[in-house]
Amino acid sequence: QVQLVESGGGVVQPGRSLRLSCAASGFTFTTYGMHWVRQAPGKGLEWVAVISNDGSKKYSADSVKGRFTISRDNSKNTLYLQMSSLRAEDTAVYYCARFGCWGCGPDYWGQGTQVTVSS
Amino acid sequence: DVVMTQSPLSLPVTLGQPASISCRSSQSLVHSDGSTYLNWFQQRPGQSPRRLIYKVSNRDSGVPDRFSGSGSGTDFTLKISRVEAEDVGVYYCMQGTHWPPWTFGQGTKVEIK
Repeated sequence: QVQLVESGGGVVQPGRSLRLSCAASGFTFTTYGMHWVRQAPGKGLEWVAVISNDGSKKYSADSVKGRFTISRDNSKNTLYLQMSSLRAEDTAVYYCARFGCWGCGPDYWGQGTQVTVSS
Repeated sequence: DVVMTQSPLSLPVTLGQPASISCRSSQSLVHSDGSTYLNWFQQRPGQSPRRLIYKVSNRDSGVPDRFSGSGSGTDFTLKISRVEAEDVGVYYCMQGTHWPPWTFGQGTKVEIK
């Protein structure tokens, strides 16, 4: 079955960096694009970044542009989110999610990993 | 960016009764390819989101047929024909026509009266 397992979250000071990983299994990773979506405490869903199945297309939200970088290693079936210059407002649960259709939204989501930015 | 507006934000419902959630977009979601990329997600308490409906009215595999989606242009609706206890949670609409960014509604919290 499809599994997406995020890791790498934790507590980090403002201005520092963190790298999230998402290990995929149960499907052919190279045929799906991937999103990162976050959810601040008690808030709704916010799209963060997306990458195409082959890594050739990447887009990110204005709120993270220039600070967060999405990437993938298809040889390891793993998605990444490199986060730098972290701010308090980046505190959220970060979900990785796969998609097969650019407009259809993610059809499978991971369980999420908590990122807390605090001094 | 396309703004998605849901109503109501809170929806108390009686078990077995119908429920309806509205989602409006700030511009038409008809794509140049002819499709309308309006999708619905359910997030049960303590769980990750789950997609229920894609492209307005297509139910995902395993989604009960009491869930249905409809609408066109800028106005869309998610209906639950008879609410069950397992339907409690927050429901989000999301547009995938004018990206980036992909944008979500604020969420509608469904609870049992």
